[in-house]
Amino acid sequence: SQQGEEDPQALSIQEGENATMNCSYKTSINNLQWYRQNSGRGLVHLILIRSNEREKHSGRLRVTLDTSKKSSSLLITASRAADTASYFCATDKGSGNTGKLIFGQGTTLQVKP
Amino acid sequence: GAVVSQHPSRVICKSGTSVKIECRSLDFQATTMFWYRQFPKKSLMLMATSNEGSKATYEQGVEKDKFLINHASLTLSTLTVTSAHPEDSSFYICSATRGVGSDEQFFGPGTRLTVL
Repeated sequence: SQQGEEDPQALSIQEGENATMNCSYKTSINNLQWYRQNSGRGLVHLILIRSNEREKHSGRLRVTLDTSKKSSSLLITASRAADTASYFCATDKGSGNTGKLIFGQGTTLQVKP
Repeated sequence: GAVVSQHPSRVICKSGTSVKIECRSLDFQATTMFWYRQFPKKSLMLMATSNEGSKATYEQGVEKDKFLINHASLTLSTLTVTSAHPEDSSFYICSATRGVGSDEQFFGPGTRLTVL
């Protein structure tokens, strides 16, 4: 199966609640990135976490990385209706810096006002 | 910030025609650009890596003669879908990096191609 599998595939929460999305991957990586995509639009880079980092914060976003389990999670705290979008994790291929990214299947988040 | 544009944003064409999509880095030089394809409610699939001044590297299963990529300058890469068919209908997205060793990719807004 594809590098970068995510769960859940879809998530629906109320405004103000926290949303957690998970991503698993199969091969070694240099870094893992999270992106956001609004329907029919391009991708917006959210956060990059390197393989030697375990946790990273950016505003209401918190990303963790567990290289022993080959997994990462994205936590959005105090969600807002505007956070409604699809979220993708992406990993590089580890060996050699080709810049290629392999995307997960994505989690569709709906935040209800 | 780094801005990447794509043109056109939407295109509808007849089966058998060719369609060219442009990807431009507006405020930086992009030595490497990537082309992705995305089906509805699906993830991005990398099609090819485009390096300025050299031939594109295609991913397995992507027909190079079908999807022609040209990276003529440090700010422009083009993807031409030749002899388009309805199954080529998709959302095509490009991304660009500032240079070798740069981790962050900046994505264009995408081009919606519909082949009738």
